[in-house]
Amino acid sequence: GEDVEQSLFLSVREGDSSVINCTYTDSSSTYLYWYKQEPGAGLQLLTYIFSNMDMKQDQRLTVLLNKKDKHLSLRIADTQTGDSAIYFCAEPEGGGADGLTFGKGTHLIIQP
Amino acid sequence: DAGITQSPRHKVTETGTPVTLRCHQTENHRYMYWYRQDPGHGLRLIHYSYGVKDTDKGEVSDGYSVSRSKTEDFLLTLESATSSQTSVYFCAISEPTEYKNIQYFGAGTRLSVL
Repeated sequence: GEDVEQSLFLSVREGDSSVINCTYTDSSSTYLYWYKQEPGAGLQLLTYIFSNMDMKQDQRLTVLLNKKDKHLSLRIADTQTGDSAIYFCAEPEGGGADGLTFGKGTHLIIQP
Repeated sequence: DAGITQSPRHKVTETGTPVTLRCHQTENHRYMYWYRQDPGHGLRLIHYSYGVKDTDKGEVSDGYSVSRSKTEDFLLTLESATSSQTSVYFCAISEPTEYKNIQYFGAGTRLSVL
């Protein structure tokens, strides 16, 4: 199956920007997704980007997509303690509606 | 959690016993999914359903069965639980379009098999 890669941990200071990176494998992926998981909770959709876009901005979140390198990134501006969570990158599995393939998740740790 | 209820939220059981987890939705979405989440593995798809009585296997379906007799309910059964099935199980729902498949997740069921 497809493989989605993310680094496991990222530590940033409060107020700085966080950049979480992801590489995916399926060049035919049309939509790519970012989910956030807070401790003890389910996954919450943060944002998504269509493959014909290079960038999408939504308040403090910026998603960058490099299709040539199959690289996706999520930038969180002015990182706050409430941003502390696990962030998952996901791409469609197989035929698109068959499910999502998730990365292992990046633990974002905020230092005061 | 987008009208998704998982039950039970926590369960402890013994090896060899049958276990059924329930996912209930109020959104009338066609697609429902079961994932498991384990440290070091992220989320992995177990089974999914694309309508009443229509189901298909995911990446890690061995040892699991599912049933969907109503649009709103999707059941995951472990016929004979093993310790390797200790995990957190998430249900998700979606109404995919041709290219977009935004999935909404329940709060999860934490299952311990002793």
